[in-house]
Amino acid sequence: KNEVEQSPQNLTAQEGEFITINCSYSVGISALHWLQQHPGGGIVSLFMLSSGKKKHGRLIATINIQEKHSSLHITASHPRDSAVYICAVIGSADYQLIWGAGTKLIIKP
Amino acid sequence: GAVVSQHPSWVICKSGTSVKIECRSLDFQATTMFWYRQFPKQSLMLMATSNEGSKATYEQGVEKDKFLINHASLTLSTLTVTSAHPEDSSFYICSARDPSRGHGYTFGSGTRLTVV
Repeated sequence: KNEVEQSPQNLTAQEGEFITINCSYSVGISALHWLQQHPGGGIVSLFMLSSGKKKHGRLIATINIQEKHSSLHITASHPRDSAVYICAVIGSADYQLIWGAGTKLIIKP
Repeated sequence: GAVVSQHPSWVICKSGTSVKIECRSLDFQATTMFWYRQFPKQSLMLMATSNEGSKATYEQGVEKDKFLINHASLTLSTLTVTSAHPEDSSFYICSARDPSRGHGYTFGSGTRLTVV
């Protein structure tokens, strides 16, 4: 079993829908990153969080340390949000990054 | 937060040639940088840890002679894929600890390598 699991693997939705991507992990962490990988490959860091909730524009990230779970939400989704969203945790033992496999999101107009 | 600049963002090369990927820390000094590779439909995997002024530490299964890492200054780490093969075609990304964010990381934007 992977230490970082993302769900769903693939998600297709209509423009305007509220999107939720989940990340569960089995190790102790000091923080968690959410990143966006564009179809061309380039990666953009969206959030780093270690507790609670962060918001940036239409993106919201939450984390529940006790439940070892984080979610990334997209409100009023748009076709330009189509990308792979990756969760990566920073292990608290050695501060190494452990990556999820990513969630491929397609937003249809 | 701190910024890591990675170049090129994409490159196509012929089999047998070498390709160099650069990662620069723009506004901080990175004594350590991490290099990752993404296999199709899999998580990014750590290839090696690059240490300024000393030899890189490679993960098990990563060929040191094929993936040459140089970290000659506090702001530049390079990954050279030598004698490239089509199997080396992949997405490569570097990261460094972001000193402004505790244990957090900052990431290069990645390099898509295609070997033809």
